[in-house]
Amino acid sequence: DVQMTQSPSNLSVFIGDTVTITCRANQNIGPWLAWYQIKPGRAPKLLIFKASSLESGVPSRFSGSRSGTQFTLTINNLQPEDFATYYCQEYGTNSRIFGQGTKVEIK
Amino acid sequence: QVQLVESGGGVVQPLMSLRLSCAASGFAFNSYAFYWVRQAPGKGLEWVGLISFDGINQYFSASVKGRFTMSRDDSSNTVYLHMNRLSPDDTGIYYCARAPPRDGYNTLDSWGQGTLVSVSS
Repeated sequence: DVQMTQSPSNLSVFIGDTVTITCRANQNIGPWLAWYQIKPGRAPKLLIFKASSLESGVPSRFSGSRSGTQFTLTINNLQPEDFATYYCQEYGTNSRIFGQGTKVEIK
Repeated sequence: QVQLVESGGGVVQPLMSLRLSCAASGFAFNSYAFYWVRQAPGKGLEWVGLISFDGINQYFSASVKGRFTMSRDDSSNTVYLHMNRLSPDDTGIYYCARAPPRDGYNTLDSWGQGTLVSVSS
C-alpha cells in the first residue's frame, strides 16, 4: 500500500520567511499529487495539482515541485493569511492517501 | 459563485445509520465528480469515497467500504453519503468536495465547510 510521509509536522516561522514542506511517497505515484490548505472553520483550499500546477486564483508565492517520489510545497514571502495547516494528497493510486499535515504557525 | 453546503451531521449511536447531504450551486453539477473527505478530532484528512460525474461509479476507502454508499440527484444538485453500521472511529468533520474533469476527476477544487458527525453511546 502507498504511504505518504509528510514533514515537518509543525513549523514556526516569521512573516516574510520561505517555507518548505515535503511529502515522500513509498512508491511511484507519477506526478499525481495535490496540496491543500486548511484553516479552522473554513473550507479547505486547493493550492497545487499535478505536483507543480498552480490552481487558478492561488498567489504565485505558492509553488510545487517533484523529484521522483519526493514532492515539495514552497511558500515564498509568507503572509499572515498563510498561517494554516497544509496537506499533500496522492492520487496516483486508488487509495488517495493524504499526508499527515504540516501546521505553519507564527513565531 | 460555487457553493457546497453539507448537512445531516449530528450525534448517533454506534451501529446506527446517518445520511449526509451536500447541496451544490453555482456551477454545472453534472460535469463533476464528488468526494467525501473526513477529519477525525485532532487527526489529519482521510478520503472516504467518491461518485463519478454520471453516478455510475463509486469508490470507497478500505475503512468504510461495505458500510458507506453515495448517491447523487442531478435534479436537485445534491450528493449524498449514506453511512451504515457507524462506529466511534467514524466520528469527525465530513467535507464534501467537487472534482473537475482535469486529472481524471481526482483533484478537489472546491470544498464545503463540513458537517460534524459524532458516533457515541
